[in-house]
Amino acid sequence: AQSVDQPDAHVTLSEGASLELRCSYSYSAAPYLFWYVQYPGQSLQFLLKYITGDTVVKGTKGFEAEFRKSNSSFNLKKSPAHWSDSAKYFCALVSGGSNYKLTFGKGTLLTVTP
Amino acid sequence: EAAVTQSPRSKVAVTGGKVTLSCHQTNNHDYMYWYRQDTGHGLRLIHYSYVADSTEKGDIPDGYKASRPSQENFSLILELASLSQTAVYFCASSDWTGGYAEQFFGPGTRLTVL
Repeated sequence: AQSVDQPDAHVTLSEGASLELRCSYSYSAAPYLFWYVQYPGQSLQFLLKYITGDTVVKGTKGFEAEFRKSNSSFNLKKSPAHWSDSAKYFCALVSGGSNYKLTFGKGTLLTVTP
Repeated sequence: EAAVTQSPRSKVAVTGGKVTLSCHQTNNHDYMYWYRQDTGHGLRLIHYSYVADSTEKGDIPDGYKASRPSQENFSLILELASLSQTAVYFCASSDWTGGYAEQFFGPGTRLTVL
């Protein structure tokens, strides 16, 4: 069975700093990995995904993520952070085959102070 | 732009009553999904569908039924609502590539069971 772990429930940093949100996964096959963002009171929006190929993927809103097979991680990065990046971020894993189910981590609440 | 709408946006139900949550997408997507979000947790998959008139169980299907009468519409049915089903419910859709594709989420339905 697959699983996603986001070890940091809450991250706080100052505007202008670099942000890195951690995500690790457990899956026996090649993973499809996603990051989604949920702004306060809103639904989820897609940020970026890793399917295959380049291990650094770029997404919307200036975010990028690095896939590291060696330690089963898919960390989200952005520099510099802006106060408008304050939101909850979810890492997710898709199981392959014919069963396209997303398994979400519990999310990391990011607060960027002005 | 992709559009997923949900109705109602919020609902208060009584324990033991029947609740139907509706989802409509205009994306011409094959896949549709129902998730629930609980405070402090990520999203968990309840049911999904990849073709009209067919639904599949997700990770937490107990106490829920789903119906996909057309490509555009996907309903979630709680035959006997319980207190534990109080949550925010999200519908999502994705195209035929399934796992490769990002999911587009609706605005969510806040369900309170009393």
